[in-house]
Amino acid sequence: DAGVIQSPRHEVTEMGQEVTLRCKPISGHDYLFWYRQTMMRGLELLIYFNNNVPIDDSGMPEDRFSAKMPNASFSTLKIQPSEPRDSAVYFCASSFRINYGYTFGSGTRLTVV
Amino acid sequence: GESVGLHLPTLSVQEGDNSIINCAYSNSASDYFIWYKQESGKGPQFIIDIRSNMDKRQGQRVTVLLNKTVKHLSLQIAATQPGDSAVYFCAGSQAGTALIFGKGTTLSVSS
Repeated sequence: DAGVIQSPRHEVTEMGQEVTLRCKPISGHDYLFWYRQTMMRGLELLIYFNNNVPIDDSGMPEDRFSAKMPNASFSTLKIQPSEPRDSAVYFCASSFRINYGYTFGSGTRLTVV
Repeated sequence: GESVGLHLPTLSVQEGDNSIINCAYSNSASDYFIWYKQESGKGPQFIIDIRSNMDKRQGQRVTVLLNKTVKHLSLQIAATQPGDSAVYFCAGSQAGTALIFGKGTTLSVSS
């Protein structure tokens, strides 16, 4: 298995633009998680899905953030409009169970200028 | 909810020494704990995990200790090598909730 695949690896965008981050989880994993990593706040959970259904989105910072999982092999995290404070590394992870080791992707480094 | 914190943001050791990285958690209902290693430019990688019905678990050169009485978790790395230099995170969860991560300890190994 190729692991969790995220794209793009790097994204630089101007403030106000829409940004879409993509994730392909490991086949057979029922759980998908989106985390955001910054120096100040560390790794924060944004949202997670179970069997493609959003379960907990309490970590999504604002209405500008939205996430979808249209099928078991694909998820997106969208920021519209983007702001400089959204600059961070965004990680997607997947797992068989919620209290089991998560496999992380390589992350998307987002810079909003 | 859970909050997880690490005691020291940085740790420097000599090659060959044993390293101990500590972590505290707040929620006594937490029943699953895990350590991750993150190298520069990469995603966190699983090292070892432990459930609350255990006090100790060993892997290859790593040991995790769980003290539920004081809500403390530690990762011990034996014979630390330069390749162990990375940021180490602990994380915890309780039944039905996602992992909550601490902020990380940067381990630097000098040869």
